[in-house]
Amino acid sequence: GQQVQQSPSSLVLQEGENAELQCNFSSTATQLQWFYQSPGGSLVSLLSNPSGTKHTGRLTSTTVTKERRSSLHISSSQTTDSGTYLCAIENTNTGKLTFGDGTVLTVKP
Amino acid sequence: GALVYQYPRRTICKSGTSMRMECQAVGFQATSVAWYRQSPQKTFELIALSTVNSAIKYEQNFTQEKFPISHPNLSFSSMTVLNAYLEDRGLYLCGATPGLGDEQYFGPGTRLTVL
Repeated sequence: GQQVQQSPSSLVLQEGENAELQCNFSSTATQLQWFYQSPGGSLVSLLSNPSGTKHTGRLTSTTVTKERRSSLHISSSQTTDSGTYLCAIENTNTGKLTFGDGTVLTVKP
Repeated sequence: GALVYQYPRRTICKSGTSMRMECQAVGFQATSVAWYRQSPQKTFELIALSTVNSAIKYEQNFTQEKFPISHPNLSFSSMTVLNAYLEDRGLYLCGATPGLGDEQYFGPGTRLTVL
């Protein structure tokens, strides 16, 4: 089945630094989403980006479909960005999302 | 905007009892609803995918007998955890989407604790 690998597994930054998160997946995806999970568990969709580059606020996602990888860039990190960032791939034709294990981001003041 | 609500947010039940959780989509038609469980080890598992007018598809290790799901219309779904035990602990998330290839919108989850 579809496999999703995220790196790094954890990342510690000083406030103001940039973060680069990676997601690699094993087979063709019709949809790719980046999520933020708060310490309380709520899942928030950040970007939906099956191909190309998308921006929203301080977030930029670049997905290279042929190479089966996506990145999430967080610029000028803030302490409130701390949490778990999850990459999820939707399997072609099934609608099933497969999640990576996530990157735990800690931004220190 | 598209929103998904889940109720209850937290619940505690005794071992061997059952717990029903609900998922409400607002602002879009939830043609498909997926139920996930995130274990204490943080792994996400898909329990089942329900599409209106189609049979509910359960993943391996999950059954209708244990996790019956109802998806009666394009805005509501419910799932029950029957005979809950310690291994059923976790955060249960509902993800809804208008259609294949569309973005999935998630609720805040129902956190289940089993005593």
